[in-house]
Amino acid sequence: GNSVTQMEGPVTLSEEAFLTINCTYTATGYPSLFWYVQYPGEGLQLLLKATKADDKGSNKGFEATYRKETTSFHLEKGSVQVSDSAVYFCALRFSGTYKYIFGTGTRLKVLA
Amino acid sequence: GAVVSQHPSWVICKSGTSVKIECRSLDFQATTMFWYRQFPKQSLMLMATSNEGSKATYEQGVEKDKFLINHASLTLSTLTVTSAHPEDSSFYICSATDRGSGNTIYFGEGSWLTVV
Repeated sequence: GNSVTQMEGPVTLSEEAFLTINCTYTATGYPSLFWYVQYPGEGLQLLLKATKADDKGSNKGFEATYRKETTSFHLEKGSVQVSDSAVYFCALRFSGTYKYIFGTGTRLKVLA
Repeated sequence: GAVVSQHPSWVICKSGTSVKIECRSLDFQATTMFWYRQFPKQSLMLMATSNEGSKATYEQGVEKDKFLINHASLTLSTLTVTSAHPEDSSFYICSATDRGSGNTIYFGEGSWLTVV
């Protein structure tokens, strides 16, 4: 079946550290891949997405590349800030449907 | 930007009682709303899809008589957990599609349900 696996958190980093949150997927077909972020007290917000292999999604300094050969979509940021503290969800979705398949979410804590 | 609001954010109820969670699109009309559930250390899982004015479509394994979904208007969907039990304690989150912006999907902030 289709599934998304994320690294367990929480991930705790100091400000300006490099961030990687691993995400791998299993899919029958060619889904689009997403990273959503949930800040405290707010809804999930789309952070970035990629719709096909080798596409790179980027936003707010975050990046993720759709790697078909390793079925991965790892989230990276070169220098995190305290304001990046949130829960990050990796997800996939097939075209023609609004149904997402999410990972477990990874909580990121950035310390000043 | 578009906002989806859920209420309540936190709720504690006694075993055997029913509890209702609301999901509202504040500044757009939502043709379709979705309800997800997340148990501890598990993934967010889609429970059901609801279209305004019609019956919800439930995912396999979700009891439709236990999780009643009503989507009576283009801005409101409700999830009622009937005869709640401790195993229903979970994080429930809704999302809605905004047909005015090419069916962009927006998520609510989620509701934590604890059944004691």
